[in-house]
Amino acid sequence: QTVVTQEPSLSVSPGGTVTLTCGLSSGSVSSDNCPSWYQQTPGQAPRSLIDSTNTRASGVPDRFSGSIVGNRAALTITGAQADDECDYYCVLYVGSGIWMFGGGTKLTVL
Amino acid sequence: EAQLVESGGGLVQSGGSLRLSCLGSGLTFDTHWMGWVRQAPGKGLEWVANINPDGNTRFYADSVKGRFTISRDNARNSLYLQMNSLRGEDTAVYYCGRWTNKPVGGSNRYYMDVWGKGTTVIVS
Repeated sequence: QTVVTQEPSLSVSPGGTVTLTCGLSSGSVSSDNCPSWYQQTPGQAPRSLIDSTNTRASGVPDRFSGSIVGNRAALTITGAQADDECDYYCVLYVGSGIWMFGGGTKLTVL
Repeated sequence: EAQLVESGGGLVQSGGSLRLSCLGSGLTFDTHWMGWVRQAPGKGLEWVANINPDGNTRFYADSVKGRFTISRDNARNSLYLQMNSLRGEDTAVYYCGRWTNKPVGGSNRYYMDVWGKGTTVIVS
Protein backbone atom coordinates (compact mmCIF):
# COMPACT_ATOMS: atom_id res chain seq x y z
CA GLN A 1 0.00 0.00 0.00
CA THR A 2 1.60 3.22 -1.22
CA VAL A 3 1.65 6.07 1.26
CA VAL A 4 2.50 9.72 0.67
CA THR A 5 4.34 11.12 3.67
CA GLN A 6 4.56 14.65 5.01
CA GLU A 7 5.82 16.03 8.30
CA PRO A 8 2.75 16.20 10.59
CA SER A 9 3.86 19.51 12.02
CA LEU A 10 6.62 22.06 11.67
CA SER A 11 7.36 25.41 13.20
CA VAL A 12 9.21 28.44 11.91
CA SER A 13 10.07 31.82 13.35
CA PRO A 14 8.67 34.92 11.67
CA GLY A 15 11.05 35.83 8.86
CA GLY A 16 12.63 32.41 8.92
CA THR A 17 12.87 29.70 6.31
CA VAL A 18 11.19 26.32 6.47
CA THR A 19 11.01 23.39 4.07
CA LEU A 20 8.08 21.00 4.00
CA THR A 21 8.64 17.70 2.23
CA CYS A 22 6.53 15.12 0.45
CA GLY A 23 7.74 11.55 0.08
CA LEU A 24 6.60 8.28 -1.38
CA SER A 25 6.76 5.06 0.61
CA SER A 26 7.41 3.06 -2.55
CA GLY A 27 10.44 5.04 -3.66
CA SER A 28 11.62 8.41 -4.89
CA VAL A 29 9.42 11.27 -5.97
CA SER A 30 10.09 12.48 -9.50
CA SER A 31 8.46 14.98 -11.81
CA ASP A 32 6.47 12.07 -13.25
CA ASN A 33 4.58 12.00 -9.93
CA CYS A 34 3.37 15.56 -10.72
CA PRO A 35 3.90 16.85 -7.17
CA SER A 36 1.78 19.91 -6.38
CA TRP A 37 1.08 21.80 -3.19
CA TYR A 38 -2.08 23.17 -1.62
CA GLN A 39 -2.71 25.53 1.26
CA GLN A 40 -5.70 25.26 3.57
CA THR A 41 -6.67 27.67 6.30
CA PRO A 42 -9.14 26.49 8.98
CA GLY A 43 -12.71 26.23 7.73
CA GLN A 44 -11.75 27.04 4.15
CA ALA A 45 -11.35 25.03 0.99
CA PRO A 46 -7.84 24.20 -0.16
CA ARG A 47 -6.27 26.47 -2.72
CA SER A 48 -3.57 25.74 -5.25
CA LEU A 49 -0.17 27.00 -4.13
CA ILE A 50 2.48 25.42 -6.34
CA ASP A 51 1.65 23.52 -9.51
CA SER A 52 3.30 20.40 -10.86
CA THR A 53 5.90 22.43 -12.76
CA ASN A 54 6.93 24.18 -9.52
CA THR A 55 5.22 27.39 -10.60
CA ARG A 56 3.37 29.51 -8.08
CA ALA A 57 -0.37 29.86 -8.58
CA SER A 58 -1.74 33.29 -9.35
CA GLY A 59 -1.49 35.60 -6.37
CA VAL A 60 0.86 33.40 -4.37
CA PRO A 61 3.75 35.41 -2.87
CA ASP A 62 7.23 34.66 -4.15
CA ARG A 63 8.38 33.55 -0.71
CA PHE A 64 6.82 30.17 -1.64
CA SER A 65 8.78 27.88 -3.92
CA GLY A 66 8.59 24.26 -4.96
CA SER A 67 11.28 21.80 -5.95
CA ILE A 68 12.37 18.19 -5.83
CA VAL A 69 15.22 17.70 -3.39
CA GLY A 70 16.81 14.30 -3.26
CA ASN A 71 14.00 11.78 -3.35
CA ARG A 72 11.25 14.06 -2.07
CA ALA A 73 9.17 17.00 -3.29
CA ALA A 74 9.72 20.13 -1.25
CA LEU A 75 7.86 23.34 -0.47
CA THR A 76 10.08 26.09 0.88
CA ILE A 77 8.84 29.25 2.56
CA THR A 78 11.52 31.94 2.75
CA GLY A 79 10.69 34.80 5.07
CA ALA A 80 7.70 33.20 6.76
CA GLN A 81 4.87 35.44 7.86
CA ALA A 82 2.21 34.99 10.49
CA ASP A 83 -0.53 34.34 7.96
CA ASP A 84 1.45 31.40 6.56
CA GLU A 85 0.33 29.49 9.64
CA CYS A 86 -2.07 26.86 8.28
CA ASP A 87 -2.12 23.37 6.76
CA TYR A 88 -0.19 22.38 3.66
CA TYR A 89 -0.85 19.33 1.50
CA CYS A 90 0.98 17.72 -1.37
CA VAL A 91 -0.55 15.34 -3.88
CA LEU A 92 1.26 12.81 -6.04
CA TYR A 93 0.30 10.76 -9.06
CA VAL A 94 1.13 7.17 -8.12
CA GLY A 95 0.20 5.51 -11.40
CA SER A 96 -2.77 3.75 -13.00
CA GLY A 97 -4.88 6.88 -12.77
CA ILE A 98 -4.52 7.06 -8.98
CA TRP A 99 -3.62 10.16 -6.99
CA MET A 100 -2.73 10.32 -3.32
CA PHE A 101 -2.54 13.23 -0.91
CA GLY A 102 -0.06 13.38 1.89
CA GLY A 103 -1.36 13.59 5.42
CA GLY A 104 -0.67 17.31 5.53
CA THR A 105 1.72 19.49 7.50
CA LYS A 106 0.44 21.89 10.14
CA LEU A 107 2.78 24.87 10.06
CA THR A 108 3.16 27.06 13.12
CA VAL A 109 4.77 30.49 12.87
CA LEU A 110 6.09 31.56 16.26
CA GLU B 1 -14.03 34.55 -11.98
CA ALA B 2 -13.48 30.81 -12.19
CA GLN B 3 -15.84 29.08 -9.81
CA LEU B 4 -16.97 25.60 -8.86
CA VAL B 5 -20.00 25.23 -6.61
CA GLU B 6 -20.91 21.93 -5.01
CA SER B 7 -24.36 20.96 -3.83
CA GLY B 8 -26.31 17.93 -2.76
CA GLY B 9 -24.69 17.19 0.58
CA GLY B 10 -26.71 16.33 3.64
CA LEU B 11 -27.49 13.79 6.33
CA VAL B 12 -28.06 10.23 5.18
CA GLN B 13 -28.37 6.93 6.97
CA SER B 14 -25.72 4.27 6.68
CA GLY B 15 -26.38 2.18 3.59
CA GLY B 16 -28.15 5.04 1.87
CA SER B 17 -27.36 7.01 -1.27
CA LEU B 18 -26.64 10.60 -2.16
CA ARG B 19 -25.81 12.43 -5.37
CA LEU B 20 -23.45 15.38 -5.29
CA SER B 21 -23.33 17.99 -8.04
CA CYS B 22 -20.70 20.55 -8.96
CA LEU B 23 -21.47 23.45 -11.27
CA GLY B 24 -18.68 25.29 -13.02
CA SER B 25 -18.81 28.91 -14.16
CA GLY B 26 -16.29 31.36 -15.53
CA LEU B 27 -13.91 28.58 -16.52
CA THR B 28 -13.25 26.09 -19.28
CA PHE B 29 -14.86 22.85 -18.21
CA ASP B 30 -15.22 20.46 -21.11
CA THR B 31 -11.53 20.06 -21.97
CA HIS B 32 -10.34 19.34 -18.44
CA TRP B 33 -10.18 16.29 -16.24
CA MET B 34 -12.35 16.84 -13.18
CA GLY B 35 -12.27 15.22 -9.78
CA TRP B 36 -13.61 14.89 -6.26
CA VAL B 37 -11.55 15.22 -3.09
CA ARG B 38 -12.93 14.73 0.42
CA GLN B 39 -11.90 15.66 3.94
CA ALA B 40 -13.22 13.84 6.97
CA PRO B 41 -13.67 15.93 10.13
CA GLY B 42 -10.29 16.85 11.56
CA LYS B 43 -8.47 14.81 8.92
CA GLY B 44 -6.47 15.44 5.79
CA LEU B 45 -7.44 15.53 2.14
CA GLU B 46 -8.29 12.30 0.34
CA TRP B 47 -8.53 11.99 -3.44
CA VAL B 48 -11.79 10.22 -4.34
CA ALA B 49 -12.26 10.05 -8.11
CA ASN B 50 -11.36 11.58 -11.48
CA ILE B 51 -13.06 11.67 -14.86
CA ASN B 52 -11.63 12.58 -18.25
CA PRO B 53 -13.04 15.33 -20.47
CA ASP B 54 -15.14 12.94 -22.57
CA GLY B 55 -16.51 11.19 -19.52
CA ASN B 56 -15.46 7.74 -20.72
CA THR B 57 -12.50 7.18 -18.42
CA ARG B 58 -12.87 7.15 -14.65
CA PHE B 59 -10.57 6.35 -11.78
CA TYR B 60 -11.44 5.78 -8.13
CA ALA B 61 -9.73 5.48 -4.78
CA ASP B 62 -9.91 1.95 -3.41
CA SER B 63 -11.98 3.25 -0.48
CA VAL B 64 -14.92 4.12 -2.77
CA LYS B 65 -14.49 1.79 -5.75
CA GLY B 66 -17.68 -0.09 -6.51
CA ARG B 67 -19.81 2.26 -4.39
CA PHE B 68 -19.26 5.70 -5.93
CA THR B 69 -19.69 6.75 -9.56
CA ILE B 70 -18.30 9.94 -11.04
CA SER B 71 -19.94 11.42 -14.11
CA ARG B 72 -20.22 14.69 -15.98
CA ASP B 73 -22.44 16.69 -18.31
CA ASN B 74 -20.30 19.07 -20.30
CA ALA B 75 -23.33 20.79 -21.82
CA ARG B 76 -24.29 21.82 -18.30
CA ASN B 77 -20.72 22.42 -17.04
CA SER B 78 -21.57 19.93 -14.32
CA LEU B 79 -19.79 17.18 -12.45
CA TYR B 80 -21.54 14.56 -10.35
CA LEU B 81 -20.74 11.99 -7.70
CA GLN B 82 -23.29 9.25 -7.10
CA MET B 83 -22.59 7.73 -3.71
CA ASN B 84 -24.22 4.41 -2.80
CA SER B 85 -23.89 2.06 0.17
CA LEU B 86 -22.70 4.95 2.29
CA ARG B 87 -20.74 4.26 5.47
CA GLY B 88 -19.83 6.32 8.49
CA GLU B 89 -16.31 6.74 7.18
CA ASP B 90 -17.70 8.54 4.13
CA THR B 91 -18.66 11.45 6.40
CA ALA B 92 -16.66 14.38 5.03
CA VAL B 93 -16.64 17.65 3.19
CA TYR B 94 -16.56 16.83 -0.51
CA TYR B 95 -14.74 19.22 -2.83
CA CYS B 96 -14.85 19.18 -6.60
CA GLY B 97 -11.84 20.36 -8.51
CA ARG B 98 -10.56 20.97 -12.00
CA TRP B 99 -7.33 19.36 -13.12
CA THR B 100 -5.15 21.38 -15.47
CA ASN B 101 -2.25 20.00 -17.50
CA LYS B 102 0.98 21.95 -18.07
CA PRO B 103 2.94 19.54 -20.27
CA VAL B 104 6.71 19.70 -20.08
CA GLY B 105 8.84 18.07 -22.74
CA GLY B 106 5.91 16.01 -23.94
CA SER B 107 5.10 14.72 -20.46
CA ASN B 108 1.85 15.53 -18.70
CA ARG B 109 2.02 17.62 -15.56
CA TYR B 110 -1.40 17.78 -13.92
CA TYR B 111 -2.46 19.71 -10.86
CA MET B 112 -5.80 20.78 -9.38
CA ASP B 113 -6.04 24.49 -10.11
CA VAL B 114 -9.64 25.32 -9.20
CA TRP B 115 -11.45 24.07 -6.11
CA GLY B 116 -15.02 24.45 -4.96
CA LYS B 117 -15.92 25.43 -1.41
CA GLY B 118 -17.24 21.97 -0.61
CA THR B 119 -20.47 20.29 0.43
CA THR B 120 -20.86 18.33 3.65
CA VAL B 121 -21.99 14.72 3.77
CA ILE B 122 -22.87 13.17 7.12
CA VAL B 123 -23.59 9.45 7.31
CA SER B 124 -25.33 8.41 10.51
